[in-house]
Amino acid sequence: GAVVSQHPSWVICKSGTSVKIECRSLDFQATTMFWYRQFPKQSLMLMATSNEGSKATYEQGVEKDKFLINHASLTLSTLTVTSAHPEDSSFYICSASRDMNTEAFFGQGTRLTVV
Amino acid sequence: DQQVKQNSPSLSVQEGRISILNCDYTNSMFDYFLWYKKYPAEGPTFLISISSIKDKNEDGRFTVFLNKSAKHLSLHIVPSQPGDSAVYFCAASFNAGNMLTFGGGTRLMVKP
Repeated sequence: GAVVSQHPSWVICKSGTSVKIECRSLDFQATTMFWYRQFPKQSLMLMATSNEGSKATYEQGVEKDKFLINHASLTLSTLTVTSAHPEDSSFYICSASRDMNTEAFFGQGTRLTVV
Repeated sequence: DQQVKQNSPSLSVQEGRISILNCDYTNSMFDYFLWYKKYPAEGPTFLISISSIKDKNEDGRFTVFLNKSAKHLSLHIVPSQPGDSAVYFCAASFNAGNMLTFGGGTRLMVKP
């Protein structure tokens, strides 16, 4: 299978600061990347879909001004949590695929804790 | 409105026996279903999938059954091993795409 890497694996930040999470496809070009969020003991919820070179499509209820997604290259997408608050503390996971109809591979996730 | 549901939050099975994890969905437009295994603080790992044109897919110890009329799928693991202990998520998509809707997960514990 293909390799998708997320960085950092975990991060602790102060309330009000911004945090950037990177998602990289290491051995393939990812036209499409997805960002999910998982709260403790809950399911993975899709936040947004990003296609290289275009604006991300956000799911209902996800604030696009708070969760900035950039997919500027075929191997990198970033999720920036702006003005983070404790309720943003969660496990964020990305997945990447060559296109919308091929298998998506997941990164290892990023644990964000906002204090 | 949860379109994909896993009604059993946990399941405990003896090593060597069969584990059966269940998943129900409500949207009849879903045509591709996947099962993932997940450990804490890690991303999901793909296990097995099935297209809606099939009713069974087998890969080693893992078999997925799909009952479209009941909108139900199940994952069978046999024989179960302690290393199978993890949270299992079923997921569904449209047009065999990769934008996934996940169920809530079932924690499987396989006892030695």
